[in-house]
Amino acid sequence: GAVVSQHPSWVICKSGTSVKIECRSLDFQATTMFWYRQFPKQSLMLMATSNEGSKATYEQGVEKDKFLINHASLTLSTLTVTSAHPEDSSFYICSARDLPSFTGELFFGEGSRLTVL
Amino acid sequence: AQSVTQLDSQVPVFEEAPVELRCNYSSSVSVYLFWYVQYPNQGLQLLLKYLSGSTLVKGINGFEAEFNKSQTSFHLRKPSVHISDTAEYFCAVSDRSGGSNYKLTFGKGTLLTVNP
Repeated sequence: GAVVSQHPSWVICKSGTSVKIECRSLDFQATTMFWYRQFPKQSLMLMATSNEGSKATYEQGVEKDKFLINHASLTLSTLTVTSAHPEDSSFYICSARDLPSFTGELFFGEGSRLTVL
Repeated sequence: AQSVTQLDSQVPVFEEAPVELRCNYSSSVSVYLFWYVQYPNQGLQLLLKYLSGSTLVKGINGFEAEFNKSQTSFHLRKPSVHISDTAEYFCAVSDRSGGSNYKLTFGKGTLLTVNP
């Protein structure tokens, strides 16, 4: 199956700094990628939909200036958490769909655990 | 808009026992249905999916699920579980027509704990 890779898997940063998380589709082109956030023992909450070459579409309640999403190529999307604070600590997961052979399935990255001190 | 309800937040079972994880959905449009498994500190792995055709779907690791349109359900079953099946299981739906770019709406998850 298609492979989606996230980097870094773990990141610890100081409050006020910015952190970038990368999401790559390794063996397919992903025109659309999704970014999810997961709190401990909770479900995945969609943050934004990222389309290659255009601005991301954010879900209601997600601060677009805090969570910057860039999808500059068909294989790479990045999520930058700007001026991170402890409440931004979470597990961030990206997913992508494989086109043109789309089968309804989304492929997920391994996730990135962010801890803000 | 769609919503997914996973009726049990936790399901403890003994090894080699059968298990059923329940999932109901609500949608104004036709949907695709999925079950994903998540092991601690990892991403999601697809167990199985229903797109069309036979309502009984078989997936990896011996899991299967049955789509029941009249009851809007997609329950996950396994006849005999192993310790290694201990994980969080998520039911999810997406719009078949491609609305919202096929984004997934997830249930809250069911923690399956298999005890020896």
